[in-house]
Amino acid sequence: DAGVTQSPTHLIKTRGQHVTLRCSPISGHKSVSWYQQVLGQGPQFIFQYYEKEERGRGNFPDRFSARQFPNYSSELNVNALLLGDSALYLCASSPDRRWREQYFGPGTRLTVT
Amino acid sequence: QKEVEQDPGPLSVPEGAIVSLNCTYSNSAFQYFMWYRQYSRKGPELLMYTYSSGNKEDGRFTAQVDKSSKYISLFIRDSQPSDSATYLCAMKGGGADGLTFGKGTHLIIQP
Repeated sequence: DAGVTQSPTHLIKTRGQHVTLRCSPISGHKSVSWYQQVLGQGPQFIFQYYEKEERGRGNFPDRFSARQFPNYSSELNVNALLLGDSALYLCASSPDRRWREQYFGPGTRLTVT
Repeated sequence: QKEVEQDPGPLSVPEGAIVSLNCTYSNSAFQYFMWYRQYSRKGPELLMYTYSSGNKEDGRFTAQVDKSSKYISLFIRDSQPSDSATYLCAMKGGGADGLTFGKGTHLIIQP
């Protein structure tokens, strides 16, 4: 079975621009979570979705938003990009809403210049 | 004080040695504890997760949780050069909160 897939792999944007990152969960998984990983740090929780509804949100500004589609894929949107948004953005899928087992994709590396 | 503390290393050991990786935490609400392995420029890979205090074994890996001391460990037996990676501990409470990660320990297994 295919694992979690994310697109694009790499992205370079300019300050003030908008970006959309995409994620497809493992087949049969209904939950998707998003994390930001800055170089040298552990991932930091952004959002969690189950059955197309937001179930959890981390400590990120309103410039960050997300949604989950009927096929359980998800998008993460970031507006008004800042240099500090440069990071690896990770998507994780879970088989249920307990979120104990989270399987990560390869990530999207975003560079803001 | 961060919620989860993890020594970033690097930790360098010879091939075949037993490796001990550790994390401490401060939030008593954490109930579930995970260990992830992350190779350079890749996503984290789930190795093990545990719920209660005690030991859980899977092949060469043993996860240990001591809730009274707020201390978790991962032991790797018969370490191999392919085990060289960053090891992240993660934990969560019982609700819809996301995972809280440590900084990760960079492990190097010398052939």
